[in-house]
Amino acid sequence: SQTIHQWPATLVQPVGSPLSLECTVEGTSNPNLYWYRQAAGRGLQLLFYSVGIGQISSEVPQNLSASRPQDRQFILSSKKLLLSDSGFYLCARRSQGVTTGGYTFGSGTRLTVV
Amino acid sequence: TQLLEQSPQFLSIQEGENLTVYCNSSSVFSSLQWYRQEPGEGPVLLVTVVTGGEVKKLKRLTFQFGDARKDSSLHITAAQPGDTGLYLCAGGSGNTPLVFGKGTRLSVIA
Repeated sequence: SQTIHQWPATLVQPVGSPLSLECTVEGTSNPNLYWYRQAAGRGLQLLFYSVGIGQISSEVPQNLSASRPQDRQFILSSKKLLLSDSGFYLCARRSQGVTTGGYTFGSGTRLTVV
Repeated sequence: TQLLEQSPQFLSIQEGENLTVYCNSSSVFSSLQWYRQEPGEGPVLLVTVVTGGEVKKLKRLTFQFGDARKDSSLHITAAQPGDTGLYLCAGGSGNTPLVFGKGTRLSVIA
């Protein structure tokens, strides 16, 4: 199984509030993990990816951060949300070493910042 | 920076019609993938192509990877309402994260 669990499914947060989105995966160990954001049902913007515990690569400098405290746990955080942080957040995984392998996505979190 | 351009952005057709959507880049990719996404859900992988000129078929869907591995097409024969969704192409090179196009939103009207 390569199931990905994301929660919550929907979230409405006021501007300036903190954020924590959690993603946990099942299946093979040491997967590559990714956080994407999708605006208005369009393309996916890569935010962060991780190839192992404690290893985070940031693609877009902004007020978001990510952490990987355990092999199968990937967390997206913010200390103070902005209106522009609204969007559909997706966690994805790919098996290590599978350079032509596809991603398995979670079901996403719809975040609305008000 | 590798970019993938998808066209058309929107497509609305009648049930039973054929259609083709395109995914183009100036960069060479070692693999290219197609995903379909339905509202409120994550994208689901349809196919991966890795060889230039490769053609793969999935029921009424035909995927082709360009000879130079810079472009791909998705052809749907006799579209059905169940084909409605956002189609995303994504290119990969080595172990770097996939690059996604902005998608083609397909609506098939019964």
